[in-house]
Amino acid sequence: GENVEQHPSTLSVQEGDSAVIKCTYSDSASNYFPWYKQELGKRPQLIIDIRSNVGEKKDQRIAVTLNKTAKHFSLHITETQPEDSAVYFCAAPLSGTYKYIFGTGTRLKVLA
Amino acid sequence: EAGVAQSPRYKIIEKRQSVAFWCNPISGHATLYWYQQILGQGPKLLIQFQNNGVVDDSQLPKDRFSAERLKGVDSTLKIQPAKLEDSAVYLCASGDGTRSYNEQFFGPGTRLTVL
Repeated sequence: GENVEQHPSTLSVQEGDSAVIKCTYSDSASNYFPWYKQELGKRPQLIIDIRSNVGEKKDQRIAVTLNKTAKHFSLHITETQPEDSAVYFCAAPLSGTYKYIFGTGTRLKVLA
Repeated sequence: EAGVAQSPRYKIIEKRQSVAFWCNPISGHATLYWYQQILGQGPKLLIQFQNNGVVDDSQLPKDRFSAERLKGVDSTLKIQPAKLEDSAVYLCASGDGTRSYNEQFFGPGTRLTVL
């Protein structure tokens, strides 16, 4: 079955610096990789996703890169702001299903 | 577009009691998920419905947890009897299930505390 590993578990950066969170997956047939942001006490919210037919996708300060050969995908946040502080989860589907396996989460703290 | 609705938002019960959670997915979404999120961890899938049929319940503790989606819309998740380790946030999510990928939209969750 699918296994998703996420690193680091915690990340502190200075405001304005970049943050990178990486996930690796095991199912080579997985074709869709979402990233969720979860603020304290709130629901996970989809912030960006990437499909397996592209290598990179960008949305303002957020980007996701996918390396299918190495089976890893990364979230990049540039010019970080205090409101970026949250827990970020990656996920990958079990191939042929809509069942998602979530990473263990990264707690990002942006220091003002 | 209205989001996924869940109720109650909070519930405190004693161990061995029963509890039920309700979810109303986004209109038209065929796929519905129940997740358990223990503090400090990622969401763990309990059960997945496609319309009113169960697609995956391999991680549902069936001796105490049950879920149904009788008319393919709303869903209820029940725990009977509850244990201390069931304390968690129970998240409902839905997706339209018509594409080769499936965006999931989460509800606000129900925070369960078992004393």
